[in-house]
Amino acid sequence: QQQVKQSPQSLIVQKGGISIINCAYENTAFDYFPWYQQFPGKGPALLIAIRPDVSEKKEGRFTISFNKSAKQFSLHIMDSQPGDSATYFCAASYSNAGGTSYGKLTFGQGTILTVHP
Amino acid sequence: GAGVSQSPSNKVTEKGKDVELRCDPISGHTALYWYRQSLGQGLEFLIYFQGNSAPDKSGLPSDRFSAERTGGSVSTLTIQRTQQEDSAVYLCASYGGPDYEQYFGPGTRLTVT
Repeated sequence: QQQVKQSPQSLIVQKGGISIINCAYENTAFDYFPWYQQFPGKGPALLIAIRPDVSEKKEGRFTISFNKSAKQFSLHIMDSQPGDSATYFCAASYSNAGGTSYGKLTFGQGTILTVHP
Repeated sequence: GAGVSQSPSNKVTEKGKDVELRCDPISGHTALYWYRQSLGQGLEFLIYFQGNSAPDKSGLPSDRFSAERTGGSVSTLTIQRTQQEDSAVYLCASYGGPDYEQYFGPGTRLTVT
């Protein structure tokens, strides 16, 4: 059973445009939602993450929007650049009873982003 | 500081052979994870070590897969009697730091011929 569904599978955007990737989750126990960026031949790199006490988090050109009631979260890349071309994964996990650590990540299937110059 | 390192970066083995994959986590991180990424697929959780607790092995696909973590640091993932469907990139992640984030190594690409 896939617990995190990611869309679209691939996305083509012109330079300067906005890239939007969406994820939906099923497990209401999830309380940590990171996005990872992966270039070919490299391991995933943490891009930005959000916890459900806020509805939005912005870091530079990257923004996560979180809708707890809809169990959805999305990544927005503003002013997309050719260097942003990569595969993006959303993920989710949940913390222990004390909220001091997070367990295994459940990943979406990934989105291949291509930004044309 | 140094990130997560994995070795070897590439491994080609014949079907039926055993392989060992190594992960060196970030110093001081309390937890270590192994994931598998098959061609065109997402990342699949395999096993998780947290401190001295019993590992969470719930993601291991068969009893041919095992892992250990020595001294709370280095971890080795062992695949016995490899099969072609084991071909994938095996990723290790180290967990810790002030924001308690998971940081991935570069992975080991395993090819079973």
